Amino acid sequence: DTGVSQDPRHKITKRGQNVTFRCDPISEHNRLYWYRQTLGQGPEFLTYFQNEAQLEKSRLLSDRFSAERPKGSFSTLEIQRTEQGDSAMYLCASGKQSSYNEQFFGPGTRLTVL
Amino acid sequence: ILNVEQSPQSLHVQEGDSTNFTCSFPSSNFYALHWYRWETAKSPEALFVMTLNGDEKKKGRISATLNTKEGYSYLYIKGSQPEDSATYLCALEYNFNKFYFGSGTKLNVKP
Repeated sequence: DTGVSQDPRHKITKRGQNVTFRCDPISEHNRLYWYRQTLGQGPEFLTYFQNEAQLEKSRLLSDRFSAERPKGSFSTLEIQRTEQGDSAMYLCASGKQSSYNEQFFGPGTRLTVL
Repeated sequence: ILNVEQSPQSLHVQEGDSTNFTCSFPSSNFYALHWYRWETAKSPEALFVMTLNGDEKKKGRISATLNTKEGYSYLYIKGSQPEDSATYLCALEYNFNKFYFGSGTKLNVKP
């Protein structure tokens, strides 16, 4: 257990529905990352927060995706109007600002869009 | 998008065998290289962070080296055990906040 939790662990939804995932990082970590991982690939960077500020967004993050970290603690990732191509594992990681930017990963949310 | 390649894609070894995998990357202009171990149904776990050419890190039976000039890192496991079975990921860190992952090497150690 890394201390980073994600909820839910699994989500099955129908195409066109909206889904929201939550990540609770390690409490003293000010950095938070979201990644998407599809079968046979490594995690792909989606977005990065430092405290409550969203500082980086990948071009992979279409208009249907939005992420928030309102108080600089937990974060949510929402996907609107889900498509079958959104089916993937969504991973969250947190870290402290330091010389070595070690990331601590959560267990992920597995999304299946039918 | 940076292309980080890992080889082999999968590896099957017997308990007690030593093994190694490769992480290749096109550029030396990055901040750090990270290795992670990801067991099924668990969270990816950080193994090593390396920043300098010639860096060598060791944790128990697992060690890693970094060659930034030729663009590769090796991960070695000495005397593999069934509990070493996992996917091993490498990632390049740019600008303190952007990570590019390889697709991983899936290791299966048979008892």
